[in-house]
Amino acid sequence: DADVTQTPRNRITKTGKRIMLECSQTKGHDRMYWYRQDPGLGLRLIYYSFDVKDINKGEISDGYSVSRQAQAKFSLSLESAIPNQTALYFCATSDSDYTDTQYFGPGTRLTVL
Amino acid sequence: ELKVEQNPLFLSMQEGKNYTIYCNYSTTSDRLYWYRQDPGKSLESLFVLLSNGAVKQEGRLMASLDTKARLSTLHITAAVHDLSATYFCAVEPDYKLSFGAGTTVTVRA
Repeated sequence: DADVTQTPRNRITKTGKRIMLECSQTKGHDRMYWYRQDPGLGLRLIYYSFDVKDINKGEISDGYSVSRQAQAKFSLSLESAIPNQTALYFCATSDSDYTDTQYFGPGTRLTVL
Repeated sequence: ELKVEQNPLFLSMQEGKNYTIYCNYSTTSDRLYWYRQDPGKSLESLFVLLSNGAVKQEGRLMASLDTKARLSTLHITAAVHDLSATYFCAVEPDYKLSFGAGTTVTVRA
């Protein structure tokens, strides 16, 4: 079984709709992250959480919100989706060890019409 | 503002030849990461470089780090088709990863 899972894997929605992307991990890591990937721009950090009570904005948090329901679960919400939020979204986790390597989920492809 | 620049952005490699991808970054960082992404797939960790002068090797890939020059290189030896992918470098100056735009590598016969 995959260590980091994301649901849904693909989603098409309309402008103005609320949508939630979910991430779960079985790695036992405290740190979780949400990124979006756009062609030619690499990955950009949306939000991150170092433990259940810790939520921090990343580089591009406007239009997004998150919820850390448990150590293993971190959800990303788009309150009112807009077309320029069409992208590939990745969840990642890391342990607070000396390497702090991040492990990525399979991604969610979101299309906002 | 932290900048992470990779070059080239696109690299067409001939099988059997050697190539280098460069990653420059604009601020001090104790860690530098290299990831690989196959089309439509997630990111896979390749290397973590933790100190100046660090060198890591795995198969045909070798990564090095010069923190004084704020430069990392990913060297590919004797390219093979299986290495076709997009390669990202990322730095972590304050526990948050900042990625380069990626280098898309295509290996041709």
